[in-house]
Amino acid sequence: DADVTQTPRNRITKTGKRIMLECSQTKGHDRMYWYRQDPGLGLRLIYYSFDVKDINKGEISDGYSVSRQAQAKFSLSLESAIPNQTALYFCATSVSDTQYFGPGTRLTVL
Amino acid sequence: GQQLNQSPQSMFIQEGEDVSMNCTSSSIFNTWLWYKQDPGEGPVLLIALYKAGELTSNGRLTAQFGITRKDSFLNISASIPSDVGIYFCAGHGSSNTGKLIFGQGTTLQVKP
Repeated sequence: DADVTQTPRNRITKTGKRIMLECSQTKGHDRMYWYRQDPGLGLRLIYYSFDVKDINKGEISDGYSVSRQAQAKFSLSLESAIPNQTALYFCATSVSDTQYFGPGTRLTVL
Repeated sequence: GQQLNQSPQSMFIQEGEDVSMNCTSSSIFNTWLWYKQDPGEGPVLLIALYKAGELTSNGRLTAQFGITRKDSFLNISASIPSDVGIYFCAGHGSSNTGKLIFGQGTTLQVKP
């Protein structure tokens, strides 16, 4: 079984809709992250959490919010999706310097 | 903030050739990591480097942590078709925020 899982794997939605992407991990790591990947731009950090009570903005947090429901769960929400939020979204976990990534969610906003 | 410049942006090589890619920064990094992303998947860690000058191998892959702590390179020897993918460098800067900074990625294509 995968250590870091993301649901859904693919989602197509319309402008203005609220969307939630979920991430679960079985690695027992305290630290969790959400990234966005766009062609040619690499991975950009949206939000990160070092434990259940700790939430921090990354470099591109505008238009996004997160919830750390438990050590193993970290969800990303788009309150009102817009087309330029079309991207590949990755969740990651870490306990030290190394981050472990989920398989990604491909989100398309029409 | 700290940034990483990764080059080349893309490579198209013949099977069997060696490959080299690198990352540079204007500021010091404490850790260098190299990841590979297969199509439709998340990045997977290939090699982690923790000390300046460190040279580490993982099969046909070799990576080095630059002496100045501002660069790193990844070499792939005798490339094969399954080496196709996007390779990312990443690192922890001297500010030690716990956040990884990523390069823009190198897309590798291998012609059989």
